[in-house]
Amino acid sequence: DGGITQSPKYLFRKEGQNVTLSCEQNLNHDAMYWYRQDPGQGLRLIYYSQIVNDFQKGDIAEGYSVSREKKESFPLTVTSAQKNPTAFYLCASSMGDRGSYEQYFGPGTRLTVT
Amino acid sequence: AQKITQTQPGMFVQEKEAVTLDCTYDTSDPSYGLFWYKQPSSGEMIFLIYQGSYDQQNATEGRYSLNFQKARKSANLVISASQLGDSAMYFCAMRENYGGATNKLIFGTGTLLAVQP
Repeated sequence: DGGITQSPKYLFRKEGQNVTLSCEQNLNHDAMYWYRQDPGQGLRLIYYSQIVNDFQKGDIAEGYSVSREKKESFPLTVTSAQKNPTAFYLCASSMGDRGSYEQYFGPGTRLTVT
Repeated sequence: AQKITQTQPGMFVQEKEAVTLDCTYDTSDPSYGLFWYKQPSSGEMIFLIYQGSYDQQNATEGRYSLNFQKARKSANLVISASQLGDSAMYFCAMRENYGGATNKLIFGTGTLLAVQP
């Protein structure tokens, strides 16, 4: 089955620690995205990548970092510089960066930092 | 600036009835794309339907249809014959820079739909 996997589903960390969220896709999609969702709000774009070894900041990139060393993987690191890291994080991918290609989403990771 | 507005925080509908979820958008770009996603309580986002700004006809996908009124900048989702499994959060989203070099989506705040038996 093709799809996007995110692990773990729930993640707990102490304040001041960096944490890396995993995102893997086997859809052979070129583009990948990271979104953050807070309660009662829509999704906000953190980072996106159109091709391997290239990525761009989204609307709320401060306190986050990413890498794209392989086409199928796009991990997100939440650093200690992120002021309010507790949120639901969703990874997505699409066939390309143009046209009407919809974005396919993973199941999400719920991060709680105390 | 581009913006998506969903004014209905929550909606109730009886099973087997139709329901319309509102979405208005604001953009100065003549080329754009509009999407609807469903988010069940489990959290994943499920793509439902897409409408391009130059599409002549309203998009339909099974029980889902998109009532696209370009002059009014609205893209309402119509769900016909509601089922209990339709209970979820629904998000309207717009593609930024359609046809350009980016595929960024801007999301509304969502509408929580509850289908009652």
